[in-house]
Amino acid sequence: AAGVIQSPRHLIKEKRETATLKCYPIPRHDTVYWYQQGPGQDPQFLISFYEKMQSDKGSIPDRFSAQQFSDYHSELNMSSLELGDSALYFCASSYRNEQFFGPGTRLTVL
Amino acid sequence: DAKTTQPPSMDCAEGRAANLPCNHSTISGNEYVYWYRQIHSQGPQYIIHGLKNNETNEMASLIITEDRKSSTLILPHATLRDTAVYYCIVRVAGSSNTGKLIFGQGTTLQVKP
Repeated sequence: AAGVIQSPRHLIKEKRETATLKCYPIPRHDTVYWYQQGPGQDPQFLISFYEKMQSDKGSIPDRFSAQQFSDYHSELNMSSLELGDSALYFCASSYRNEQFFGPGTRLTVL
Repeated sequence: DAKTTQPPSMDCAEGRAANLPCNHSTISGNEYVYWYRQIHSQGPQYIIHGLKNNETNEMASLIITEDRKSSTLILPHATLRDTAVYYCIVRVAGSSNTGKLIFGQGTTLQVKP
């Protein structure tokens, strides 16, 4: 069965640089969620999109933005990167109930 | 969303049943109990969810008390591959645009040979 695809799987950036993470949901799923998981922490909700509109927002920094495109894929844009942004970033997609998570993008900020 | 309380860690012998408890005393009538697990650094994996009746699927069983203030996830025959952090999450279900997951501390289950 098709799963959630995230790219890239690993990303290394310098402080103050920008990064773009991509998420391709399971076909026919209409909702995408983004989560951030810092080292030794639990996943934290960032933002979600339903039918290409932002549906909910968590503790996402103003330096981050995201959108969902007409083909339902989503991108998380991160600017002015800080050391504290180093984390695993998970995307999940759903249709009605359970969320299916991707493998994550590991972002390292040096 | 209601908060949940889980023990931070548990051990289980391989082949035995693992029973993971969760307290959610402030759950609302329209909130479901969801269980996810996360194997080291992988994306969280959906296990099971329920409203008030007991539920079973190929992975696990979910037992919810009659007052809905607590539940137990049962892995009937734990294997080493079940070693993971297990999260009990309460949320409203049925509508895609209200479904963010609030991850609490979770229970680290260690399955031992």
